[in-house]
Amino acid sequence: DAGVTQSPTHLIKTRGQQVTLRCSPKSGHDTVSWYQQALGQGPQFIFQYYEEEERQRGNFPDRFSGHQFPNYSSELNVNALLLGDSALYLCASSPDRGRVYGYTFGSGTRLTVV
Amino acid sequence: AQSVTQLDSQVPVFEEAPVELRCNYSSSVSVYLFWYVQYPNQGLQLLLKYLSGSTLVKGINGFEAEFNKSQTSFHLRKPSVHISDTAEYFCAVSDDSNYQLIWGAGTKLIIKP
Repeated sequence: DAGVTQSPTHLIKTRGQQVTLRCSPKSGHDTVSWYQQALGQGPQFIFQYYEEEERQRGNFPDRFSGHQFPNYSSELNVNALLLGDSALYLCASSPDRGRVYGYTFGSGTRLTVV
Repeated sequence: AQSVTQLDSQVPVFEEAPVELRCNYSSSVSVYLFWYVQYPNQGLQLLLKYLSGSTLVKGINGFEAEFNKSQTSFHLRKPSVHISDTAEYFCAVSDDSNYQLIWGAGTKLIIKP
């Protein structure tokens, strides 16, 4: 059974560009959350998608947006990239919005902004 | 707002020795507590979780944690560590007011041969 799949694994972008990261949740999971993990830090919550809608959002600017598709897969879009957006972006899925089951995480996308 | 403090950024320990990784959270009416492990260049894997009930929680790979409400702590323990336990360990918490996980800064477990 495949877990959470993220693509691409690594990405290098130039400041000011836009990027799209993709996530396929674990089979049977309908909730997708996105986290940003800077080097040497714990993950920071970006937002959560459930039933194709953004249900909760962390303290991130509007440059960060997302989408969830009917098959529960999700995209994270970041516009006008800044050097400070360089980080590991983690996708996590859950069958119950993380309440009892918790989350299954993907291996992440390493974004480097130059 | 909820917050999580992991008191040690690094914990060096000899192989086969016991280890305790400390985690404290800010108080809340009802919390859900998690420990995750992150191996180098990988995502996060759930070790164990506390939702309710028994305060001693057993997880994978021989780890356990004890929920202490009065001290707002959720320390992770293992009686005998192996070289394969070398990783970064994160404590996380959520509560009834939201679904997001609030994370500590992580503790690197360094196993000395």
